[in-house]
Amino acid sequence: DSGVTQTPKHLITATGQRVTLRCSPRSGDLSVYWYQQSLDQGLQFLIQYYNGEERAKGNILERFSAQQFPDLHSELNLSSLELGDSALYFCASSVGAGTNTEAFFGQGTRLTVV
Amino acid sequence: AQTVTQSQPEMSVQEAETVTLSCTYDTSESDYYLFWYKQPPSRQMILVIRQEAYKQQNATENRFSVNFQKAAKSFSLKISDSQLGDAAMYFCAYRSADGATNKLIFGTGTLLAVQP
Repeated sequence: DSGVTQTPKHLITATGQRVTLRCSPRSGDLSVYWYQQSLDQGLQFLIQYYNGEERAKGNILERFSAQQFPDLHSELNLSSLELGDSALYFCASSVGAGTNTEAFFGQGTRLTVV
Repeated sequence: AQTVTQSQPEMSVQEAETVTLSCTYDTSESDYYLFWYKQPPSRQMILVIRQEAYKQQNATENRFSVNFQKAAKSFSLKISDSQLGDAAMYFCAYRSADGATNKLIFGTGTLLAVQP
């Protein structure tokens, strides 16, 4: 168990809908990262937050947004869902932001858009 | 931009034998980190081994070792005495050491099968 908790584990929704994925980082970790794993794109970095502030942005669609709350948990919001958004979404956390610290991954949320 | 390439989509090894997974990367940075992650059927991403680019010595973790060739931008993973539990998808990953972010850039993965 990495200590990173993601909910829900599975999510099935229809095209056009909006969903929210939640991540609780390991105790003491200030950074949260979101990754998308799909058959088409592989494992891609989406976005990073550090202590509530956006730190780095990757290939995140405009339909997607994220935030990190004062208690350090993070949410990834996916809207106007398309079939191609079906993927495994990982959250990872680390103590620091750009320092020599390891990122620990959650078990992922499997999103299926039908 | 940095890229990571894994040219072996699938590999197979007999139990107790040794297998080497290949990874090459492209970067203009001189300082960075390289990783191998394991993803078993449970989907959990598990860190197997890491290598700091400034260290010439190859990293080793029990049965797992790497062959890091900085000039050739090559970073292969050797698994010795393969076990059934080693069967998984293996991802090579790159992380810059510029201090701006800890984001990882992943290769496309190699699916390792272990035959009993």
